[in-house]
Amino acid sequence: AQSVTQLGSHVSVSEGALVLLRCNYSSSVPPYLFWYVQYPNQGLQLLLKYTTGATLVKGINGFEAEFKKSETSFHLTKPSAHMSDAAEYFCAVSSGGGGADGLTFGKGTHLIIQP
Amino acid sequence: NAGVMQNPRHLVRRRGQEARLRCSPMKGHSHVYWYRQLPEEGLKFMVYLQKENIIDESGMPKERFSAEFPKEGPSILRIQQVVRGDSAAYFCASSPSGGIKTQYFGPGTRLLVL
Repeated sequence: AQSVTQLGSHVSVSEGALVLLRCNYSSSVPPYLFWYVQYPNQGLQLLLKYTTGATLVKGINGFEAEFKKSETSFHLTKPSAHMSDAAEYFCAVSSGGGGADGLTFGKGTHLIIQP
Repeated sequence: NAGVMQNPRHLVRRRGQEARLRCSPMKGHSHVYWYRQLPEEGLKFMVYLQKENIIDESGMPKERFSAEFPKEGPSILRIQQVVRGDSAAYFCASSPSGGIKTQYFGPGTRLLVL
């Protein structure tokens, strides 16, 4: 069985500061990993994904994440926070096989940007 | 290219009524997934369908819930005899048939059961 843990249900950073959202996973097979962002009353938008190859992946809006197998982590970072980054962020894992299965999501991290 | 479409966006039902949620996948996508999001929770997988086939329904409640994805038309998630605990946001995602099946999500249907 797979699981995802997102440490910190709420993270608050100042505008212009580093954003770090933590995600740890467990999977019995090599995982595919995803970060999604959800704005209020909207659906989920894909930020980035890791499937195979380079462990540092870059996504939209200046976000990136690094897959660390030894730490079973896939933390999301952004060098400089912007007010428009305020949203709910979800980490998700798929068991591979082309991702042809339901994703397992973490409970989400609400990112707050202080002016 | 239109994204995943869901309707209605908001649905209000009284206890005991039926709820029908519709999902049209992105053009060229033949895989559909349904998820439920309860307040302050992440999304929980319910069911995975391809055209005319249910591939994985391990997350579906055993009673009152059903899903279909006919050869023509949208995917339907049907909830019979709704109860207050069914109030949630229901999201549909679609993915292509080949390669890495990245899932793209619709805007969701917010179901309120009175």
